[in-house]
Amino acid sequence: EPEVTQTPSHQVTQMGQEVILRCVPISNHLYFYWYRQILGQKVEFLVSFYNNEISEKSEIFDDQFSVERPDGSNFTLKIRSTKLEDSAMYFCASSWRGAEVEKLFFGSGTQLSVL
Amino acid sequence: KQEVTQIPAALSVPEGENLVLNCSFTDSAIYNLQWFRQDPGKGLTSLLLIQSSQREQTSGRLNASLDKSSGRSTLYIAASQPGDSATYLCAVTLGGGADGLTFGKGTHLIIQP
Repeated sequence: EPEVTQTPSHQVTQMGQEVILRCVPISNHLYFYWYRQILGQKVEFLVSFYNNEISEKSEIFDDQFSVERPDGSNFTLKIRSTKLEDSAMYFCASSWRGAEVEKLFFGSGTQLSVL
Repeated sequence: KQEVTQIPAALSVPEGENLVLNCSFTDSAIYNLQWFRQDPGKGLTSLLLIQSSQREQTSGRLNASLDKSSGRSTLYIAASQPGDSATYLCAVTLGGGADGLTFGKGTHLIIQP
């Protein structure tokens, strides 16, 4: 069964450093998403991406965040200058027709620890 | 701002019991509602999606209902098994181009063998 793949599974970084989280969505999917879950809290929406541009973003997704689909298969989330409060599990998700009409497929997540 | 609440936060039942998980949302103008399963160290798995025009969806031993006007949904699990142990999350989307999901905090379910 096709699946969304995320790398690395764990990332440790120093405060102020840049990190790039990588995702390979399911190959025929067109809608891509990033979510995060701080330990013990709800899963939170960060951004949705369609047709090579951001279609929606939350208040969390400020100027330190950016997304890119550099080569037609990867989907990346960059955090420019990490803060302690960025420590969380980051989930990538994808779907063919978008969350309005069909289920999302999630990856297993990248656990980001900012020290 | 949409808020999603799930009750109970945790539930432990013996194997074989039927059980109901509850979800409520504050803004009834949703486009759809999804139920997810989250296992430790793994991602979220979508179990059922109910469009706002639908009243329920079924998949195997799972049945999800939606009462949009009252802002409520339930997930019914029949004949529970130890493998059903997981955290169950409810999420809604407002649609209209806004397809980000708003999640509840989940119900942590333990099925005792």
